[in-house]
Amino acid sequence: EPEVTQTPSHQVTQMGQEVILRCVPISNHLYFYWYRQILGQKVEFLVSFYNNEISEKSEIFDDQFSVERPDGSNFTLKIRSTKLEDSAMYFCASSFGTVGNQPQHFGDGTRLSIL
Amino acid sequence: KQEVTQIPAALSVPEGENLVLNCSFTDSAIYNLQWFRQDPGKGLTSLLLIQSSQREQTSGRLNASLDKSSGRSTLYIAASQPGDSATYLCAVLSRGDTGRRALTFGSGTRLQVQP
Repeated sequence: EPEVTQTPSHQVTQMGQEVILRCVPISNHLYFYWYRQILGQKVEFLVSFYNNEISEKSEIFDDQFSVERPDGSNFTLKIRSTKLEDSAMYFCASSFGTVGNQPQHFGDGTRLSIL
Repeated sequence: KQEVTQIPAALSVPEGENLVLNCSFTDSAIYNLQWFRQDPGKGLTSLLLIQSSQREQTSGRLNASLDKSSGRSTLYIAASQPGDSATYLCAVLSRGDTGRRALTFGSGTRLQVQP
């Protein structure tokens, strides 16, 4: 069964550095998402992306964050100047559509640790 | 603002028991509801998706019901097995008062099935 893949599985970065998290969504999916889960807390929506632009974003997704689909397969999340509170598990997801019968499929996540 | 609550937070049962996990949400204007399984350090595996027009969905030993008007869903697991041990997350896709279509997650129920 096709799956969403994320790399790296664990990223350790110094505070203030830029980090790029990478995702390969399921190939025929059209909608892409990033979520994060701070340790011990709920999974939170960050951003959704369709047709090469952001369709929705949450209050968390401020100017420090950006997303890109640089080619036909990758979907990236960039954090420009990382803060300690950016430490979390970041999940990428994709779906074929956004109507009620289209589930979102998630990757295994990237654990981001900011030192 | 959409809020999703899951009860109980943790559950420990002997193998073979049937069990029910509960999910409630505050805004009944949802597109769908998804149940996920999350293993420690792993991503989210979609188990069942119920569209807003549906009352229930079944997959193997799992059955999920939806009562949209009362803002409730239950996940029924029949004949539980040690391999069912995981955290079960409920998430609703809705637009909410921000106008943003996004998945809102509950905190999860941590299930342990004793052999």
